[in-house]
Amino acid sequence: GAGVSQSPSNKVTEKGKDVELRCDPISGHTALYWYRQRLGQGLEFLIYFQGNSAPDKSGLPSDRFSAERTGESVSTLTIQRTQQEDSAVYLCASSLRASGLYNEQFFGPGTRLTVL
Amino acid sequence: AQSVSQHNHHVILSEAASLELGCNYSYGGTVNLFWYVQYPGQHLQLLLKYFSGDPLVKGIKGFEAEFIKSKFSFNLRKPSVQWSDTAEYFCAVNPYNQGGKLIFGQGTELSVKP
Repeated sequence: GAGVSQSPSNKVTEKGKDVELRCDPISGHTALYWYRQRLGQGLEFLIYFQGNSAPDKSGLPSDRFSAERTGESVSTLTIQRTQQEDSAVYLCASSLRASGLYNEQFFGPGTRLTVL
Repeated sequence: AQSVSQHNHHVILSEAASLELGCNYSYGGTVNLFWYVQYPGQHLQLLLKYFSGDPLVKGIKGFEAEFIKSKFSFNLRKPSVQWSDTAEYFCAVNPYNQGGKLIFGQGTELSVKP
């Protein structure tokens, strides 16, 4: 597609439920990133993929968070047993490569997650 | 810990005023530097980037930024702002040996009065 797409655009869930957030990167982009933006704060790195491997998972806040990527396409971020502090906008980005000159990241519109 | 600091949370200017938004980072090695902008109701888009070479980089819509290595700074400037520049601006740093990871500042909201 023309840009990075994310679904759903909004998700309201109850505390304790699991949620899955989806990201479709720009075709041909081998690197994919997940970030989180809490209200009034900057973006917080969660994880990135180069192909379908994840060299850096250091930003995942707890073991309730996991992500996977199929080949060089779709990625899913899963949050298990959601908590109210998980409420945020989850942003996905993609780039041609994960380093150097090809690291210009293109962002999707985000998924706004609200945990009641 | 690595961090990016943006000096102002909210800046209010009148049209035609000059703009400078501060950005400092804490990382001693080589970095790539970015400014992203988020217009109301839109998603983040790249304003400009620095990888190497001339420390004064020019981006879209008349914006420019200067990398001063000795000050660990990458300040954003525009000589004359327009109402359409109203947006949130984010500075981001990519430490060279950490793959694609971007470390963002907390953002500066710019409001331009017509």
